[in-house]
Amino acid sequence: AQSVTQPDIHITVSEGASLELRCNYSYGATPYLFWYVQSPGQGLQLLLKYFSGDTLVQGIKGFEAEFKRSQSSFNLRKPSVHWSDAAEYFCAVGDPLEYGNKLVFGAGTILRVKS
Amino acid sequence: EPEVTQTPSHQVTQMGQEVILRCVPISNHLYFYWYRQILGQKVEFLVSFYNNEISEKSEIFDDQFSVERPDGSNFTLKIRSTKLEDSAMYFCASSEEGRRYGYTFGSGTRLTVV
Repeated sequence: AQSVTQPDIHITVSEGASLELRCNYSYGATPYLFWYVQSPGQGLQLLLKYFSGDTLVQGIKGFEAEFKRSQSSFNLRKPSVHWSDAAEYFCAVGDPLEYGNKLVFGAGTILRVKS
Repeated sequence: EPEVTQTPSHQVTQMGQEVILRCVPISNHLYFYWYRQILGQKVEFLVSFYNNEISEKSEIFDDQFSVERPDGSNFTLKIRSTKLEDSAMYFCASSEEGRRYGYTFGSGTRLTVV
């Protein structure tokens, strides 16, 4: 069955340290891939997206993600985390072979930043 | 930067009552969506709307739910007879060209059914 997995429910990193949040998907074709961030009391903000082309994608707020077809992954990275990055991060996927425009979301990863 | 606006931010309602959640999508967007997130669970797709009709809906979106674009700017989600399990955060989203470039989400309406 098609699915999106974010294996880490919580991650804690020190301010200034690097970050990698994992996302794995199970789809037949290369899906549309997205990372969203949700700060407390806020909506979901699009960080970056991938559907074709260069597999390393740059997003807002200094984030990047790399699409790896062989690993069915789209991991989110940031070289140096700031306290304001503390939030919940969602990977989302759209199946290009499926009619419609819905996205399927992973369960989310809560990022805590310690000083 | 253009925003999707949702009102109210919080709504408390009695079980069995009707609620209408309101959204103002980005003005040049053509595709509209409702998602919900029950506390502690995943963000789930409810319905998508294009060209003044529902283009896709999930199993969650049963006869108790309906959507409407009553004028050129608003997009509403109505729950006819609320149940306790309808308590969730409801997100409206819009997109210009389907999902390929991602959606813009609103800040959500927290619905509590008591």
